[in-house]
Amino acid sequence: DTGVSQDPRHKITKRGQNVTFRCDPISEHNRLYWYRQTLGQGPEFLTYFQNEAQLEKSRLLSDRFSAERPKGSFSTLEIQRTEQGDSAMYLCASSLREGYEQYFGPGTRLTVT
Amino acid sequence: GQSLEQPSEVTAVEGAIVQINCTYQTSGFYGLSWYQQHDGGAPTFLSYNALDGLEETGRFSSFLSRSDSYGYLLLQELQMKDSASYFCASRNDMRFGAGTRLTVKP
Repeated sequence: DTGVSQDPRHKITKRGQNVTFRCDPISEHNRLYWYRQTLGQGPEFLTYFQNEAQLEKSRLLSDRFSAERPKGSFSTLEIQRTEQGDSAMYLCASSLREGYEQYFGPGTRLTVT
Repeated sequence: GQSLEQPSEVTAVEGAIVQINCTYQTSGFYGLSWYQQHDGGAPTFLSYNALDGLEETGRFSSFLSRSDSYGYLLLQELQMKDSASYFCASRNDMRFGAGTRLTVKP
């Protein structure tokens, strides 16, 4: 148990619907990351936060994706108008600070039908 | 562009030693990390090299040569439970390689 939790663990949605995922990092960790992973690939960076500030967002991330970390604790990732290509495992990770190892949550598996 | 390259698959037998290589192209390099991921599980941190040389952690060791933009993960005394995917990752831009799937056979 790494201490990072994600909810829900699985989500099935119809194309065009909006979905929101939650991540609760390890409590003393300042940094929080979101990744997307598809079968046979490594985690693909989406965005990260230092406390409540979103410091970087991947250029691969479309405007349909948005993430927040309102109080520097938990974070949410929202996907609007889902597409079949959004089907993937969405991973959240946290680290104590910059340059420290990341601890991953179990992920949310999204299936868009 | 920025990328990390590693072999897609490696197979070895129990008790053997296996080396998983990683070559990288990335700007502002701060170090190379290694993660293990079992099927259906989340990546877990194994090792990190900020400087050139070998870092040893039990049966796992990791090596980095910044002048060659190259690193490797060395797994010794392989066990069946080591069958998993292994990813190298750059510390500065959170970029991961595509992963090497290690299969350990009896």
